[in-house]
Amino acid sequence: AQTVTQSQPEMSVQEAETVTLSCTYDTSESDYYLFWYKQPPSRQMILVIRQEAYKQQNATENRFSVNFQKAAKSFSLKISDSQLGDAAMYFCAYRTLTNFGNEKLTFGTGTRLTIIP
Amino acid sequence: NAGVMQNPRHLVRRRGQEARLRCSPMKGHSHVYWYRQLPEEGLKFMVYLQKENIIDESGMPKERFSAEFPKEGPSILRIQQVVRGDSAAYFCASSRPGQGGLSNQPQHFGDGTRLSIL
Repeated sequence: AQTVTQSQPEMSVQEAETVTLSCTYDTSESDYYLFWYKQPPSRQMILVIRQEAYKQQNATENRFSVNFQKAAKSFSLKISDSQLGDAAMYFCAYRTLTNFGNEKLTFGTGTRLTIIP
Repeated sequence: NAGVMQNPRHLVRRRGQEARLRCSPMKGHSHVYWYRQLPEEGLKFMVYLQKENIIDESGMPKERFSAEFPKEGPSILRIQQVVRGDSAAYFCASSRPGQGGLSNQPQHFGDGTRLSIL
């Protein structure tokens, strides 16, 4: 079974600084997707960034980028120029096919990010 | 272009009552997923449905929980005889069908229903 581990329950960063959130996963599959979702206090689940496992190039979305190390099964999220609106829970998620042929997301336990003004 | 719509946003029930949670997928999406988030935890997969079919219910508790996605109308997650442990946020997500194998169609989430059991 796939597992996703986020070893940092809480992180904080000074506004305008850079922070990296870590995520590791365990799988025997070669074809999968990885995601970072943001959950602000409003509890919406907002897709931040995604990475296809077959792509070697790290995904970037404006201030958000990932460091995808497939051999190490590591998928960290870097937030540059942190802003107050980045404060939220961040969840790492892994998507793959099940035996039923459907796709399923497996989430980590989350990292609560606090931005210090 | 409405996103995934879930209602109610908050639902309060007493122990033993029934809870019905509704989810309308995004336009053009025929795949619906339900997830449960217990306090201070990540989301856990419950069930995956297509129109009129339950495809994967491997994450659903065996008793009291059921889900449907009828030909017309929203998907419903039904919890009978609720207990305190059912208190959680329940999220629905939808996606377009893939082309076979892993698709590049992400799951879009609704805002969730927070269920509180008194």
